Amino acid sequence: EDQVTQSPEALRLQEGESSSLNCSYTVSGLRGLFWYRQDPGKGPEFLFTLYSAGEEKEKERLKATLTKKESFLHITAPKPEDSATYLCAVQEALTGGGNKLTFGTGTQLKVEL
Amino acid sequence: DTGVSQDPRHKITKRGQNVTFRCDPISEHNRLYWYRQTLGQGPEFLTYFQNEAQLEKSRLLSDRFSAERPKGSFSTLEIQRTEQGDSAMYLCASSLGTFNGYTFGSGTRLTVV
Repeated sequence: EDQVTQSPEALRLQEGESSSLNCSYTVSGLRGLFWYRQDPGKGPEFLFTLYSAGEEKEKERLKATLTKKESFLHITAPKPEDSATYLCAVQEALTGGGNKLTFGTGTQLKVEL
Repeated sequence: DTGVSQDPRHKITKRGQNVTFRCDPISEHNRLYWYRQTLGQGPEFLTYFQNEAQLEKSRLLSDRFSAERPKGSFSTLEIQRTEQGDSAMYLCASSLGTFNGYTFGSGTRLTVV
């Protein structure tokens, strides 16, 4: 069964203090790795999909990278509005072309002024 | 069409009562998913529809839970004889064609007292 482990559970940063979130995974064959952002009381919001080791994707202050065993979400010069829970998930194919995502427990990020 | 809509946003019910949630996916999306998220955890897969056909159900979906998607449009999730352990955020998501992540709704927060 697919497993996803995220660390740290919580992270407090000062504005402008760069850091990285980790997502390690165990799957029989990676089809895709997903990063989502979730604000309190809301559904997850899609950020990135990564498919193969060495792949990188960027969006504003966020960059996601992928190796054969883990993914990192790098946050450069974060701002308070980047405060959220960041979820990592791996994709598993379902009957009929559907896809299931197995999520980690998330990293709760707080960026302070 | 602005995204996936879920109704109600919040529901408080007494133990033993039945509840029903509704999800309206993005109109052109043929695949619809239900997930459950408890506090401090990532979303967990419950069930999946392709058009009106329910193709996969998780072991988490006990016989008190039933989901429908008549005519392949909106979907309902019913929980009969609610228990305190059913308290969670119930998330709906939809997707179309080549998978590149879901679009989630904002969820229905269920509290069983």
